[in-house]
Amino acid sequence: DTGVSQDPRHKITKRGQNVTFRCDPISEHNRLYWYRQTLGQGPEFLTYFQNEAQLEKSRLLSDRFSAERPKGSFSTLEIQRTEQGDSAMYLCASSSSTGYYEQYFGPGTRLTVT
Amino acid sequence: GQNIDQPTEMTATEGAIVQINCTYQTSGFNGLFWYQQHAGEAPTFLSYNVLDGLEEKGRFSSFLSRSKGYSYLLLKELQMKDSASYLCAAASGGSYIPTFGRGTSLIVHP
Repeated sequence: DTGVSQDPRHKITKRGQNVTFRCDPISEHNRLYWYRQTLGQGPEFLTYFQNEAQLEKSRLLSDRFSAERPKGSFSTLEIQRTEQGDSAMYLCASSSSTGYYEQYFGPGTRLTVT
Repeated sequence: GQNIDQPTEMTATEGAIVQINCTYQTSGFNGLFWYQQHAGEAPTFLSYNVLDGLEEKGRFSSFLSRSKGYSYLLLKELQMKDSASYLCAAASGGSYIPTFGRGTSLIVHP
């Protein structure tokens, strides 16, 4: 297994545009998480899926953010009407039901909003 | 909410031992995590403690005191490659999703 992959690795967009990121978890992992990380901070939780069900979403998450995991495999995170404050590294992680406490992170998608 | 506190930066010498402390405040504690993050890379899991005591894993050990809301990560026989950010995180409530602190940047010098 090649681990968690994310695409694209870098995205530059203009303010007001929509962007979509993709995450492919480790194949046997049924749990998938999205985080956001800015410089000098730890990862900030955004949302969590178990299989295709979105079970938890941060209260801090704007309505402009939406995530899906339609078949319980890959996931997408969409940001609508991007703002400069959305510039960050977006990290995806996955874990198994038995090893739920050990999350494997992908390399991240770095978003720059100009 | 949760509050995670850890030092911003620490320096140590190659071959030495360093202890990185973390205090947390949370309700419905579900466990304490440590992750390592090298510059420009994703975090990698180091340890998870849910019971009091010390857990050793090679050169790294993690300690937890639930009554004190305190944990530390102990790194022995430091190597240059241990220079990284060490993230303390706590889970609470019904989930096992970690809330991360800002991380401690460890610099190992020769």
